[in-house]
Amino acid sequence: LAKTTQPISMDSYEGQEVNITCSHNNIATNDYITWYQQFPSQGPRFIIQGYKTKVTNEVASLFIPADRKSSTLSLPRVSLSDTAVYYCLVGDLTNTGFQKLVFGTGTRLLVSP
Amino acid sequence: NAGVTQTPKFQVLKTGQSMTLQCAQDMNHNSMYWYRQDPGMGLRLIYYSASEGTTDKGEVPNGYNVSRLNKREFSLRLESAAPSQTSVYFCASSEALPALYGYTFGSGTRLTVV
Repeated sequence: LAKTTQPISMDSYEGQEVNITCSHNNIATNDYITWYQQFPSQGPRFIIQGYKTKVTNEVASLFIPADRKSSTLSLPRVSLSDTAVYYCLVGDLTNTGFQKLVFGTGTRLLVSP
Repeated sequence: NAGVTQTPKFQVLKTGQSMTLQCAQDMNHNSMYWYRQDPGMGLRLIYYSASEGTTDKGEVPNGYNVSRLNKREFSLRLESAAPSQTSVYFCASSEALPALYGYTFGSGTRLTVV
């Protein structure tokens, strides 16, 4: 499983765009990149996944450069409710059809008024 | 609402006591997992079940046992609780390709061992 590295914490203010970058230098060809969000006292929530280029949904955008050695989760115009821990995971889509993902310590985002 | 249900939500045990954490999902997922999360830490995989009838150890299995009772239910048992097992326990489920489809997590069981 590819190891991921992301900042321990980030601070922002309401209305700003937040970009959290994750490094995964040894990502393999079959690996997908997945991001989760965890609010206090809740389980993590799947928010976005991608393989290459850009993916956008109603919650966030995910930017993946051509070499795929890093990825950036972009949260547009954050609000106080975006205060959470964000996890970057890399998972291998193998022919065996099963994969267990490994969570690191994540990035703790604090949004202030 | 569809999802993963964990019981109990809170539990206090004395050292040496045993208990079983229950988890059930109603999304017809093949795979289920148990994680623990210590304060300020990420999630660590305890055990997982790739499909009904199979279970395997994760990163931190010592002191725990699991049972995949059927496709819906996956329980975690602490035979002799220790203070080091004080943690929040999360159950999750997924299709067989979580890298693509994602995990669905329960709301957690907060366990304190005194």
